[in-house]
Amino acid sequence: GAGVSQSPSNKVTEKGKDVELRCDPISGHTALYWYRQSLGQGLEFLIYFQGNSAPDKSGLPSDRFSAERTGGSVSTLTIQRTQQEDSAVYLCASSFPRSQRGARETQYFGPGTRLLVL
Amino acid sequence: GESVGLHLPTLSVQEGDNSIINCAYSNSASDYFIWYKQESGKGPQFIIDIRSNMDKRQGQRVTVLLNKTVKHLSLQIAATQPGDSAVYFCAESPGQAGTALIFGKGTTLSVSS
Repeated sequence: GAGVSQSPSNKVTEKGKDVELRCDPISGHTALYWYRQSLGQGLEFLIYFQGNSAPDKSGLPSDRFSAERTGGSVSTLTIQRTQQEDSAVYLCASSFPRSQRGARETQYFGPGTRLLVL
Repeated sequence: GESVGLHLPTLSVQEGDNSIINCAYSNSASDYFIWYKQESGKGPQFIIDIRSNMDKRQGQRVTVLLNKTVKHLSLQIAATQPGDSAVYFCAESPGQAGTALIFGKGTTLSVSS
């Protein structure tokens, strides 16, 4: 069906406010990733969900960042008390699970949410 | 440390030329590599991938070459078109189940008519 979708596409917020970013993965993809991309930079891994396993949070830059994935599908990335350095594009990707024999674990990306913290 | 880098941040070519974008990786345990294309304002788009048991893979107008001896990856684009203008990222999968891809910083390809 459709590709990975993310909302909102753009978000402008004031320093100190909380924001929630949403990701709808491709149907059937059990693996979901969040990345952050600062201007002119590569992608920085944030967090990874695979099925019902505990998420890999090793990339989260601080405890202001958290994410959840409800029902094994939609995921929400929350940034509390936003700072100006949080301004970036937040990208979500989904894939088949890497451990599934024969499945391609290629990650397919959504269009991203452009976050600007004033 | 584990990182994926690109040799050149920018590459400018004429329409119709062949383009070669290079990438060096440092993790010898990586067993899967992907090239992505990212156009302005969009998310990265899958182009082509290759597993470590191969040294070459061809797609439509694109070829990926893998040299494990020197840990080098390249993307060749034949007959480059203006629509190929974008940032190209290579990414490596470090070989552990569930580990996220490691991306380089990207090469900006500019194609002039």
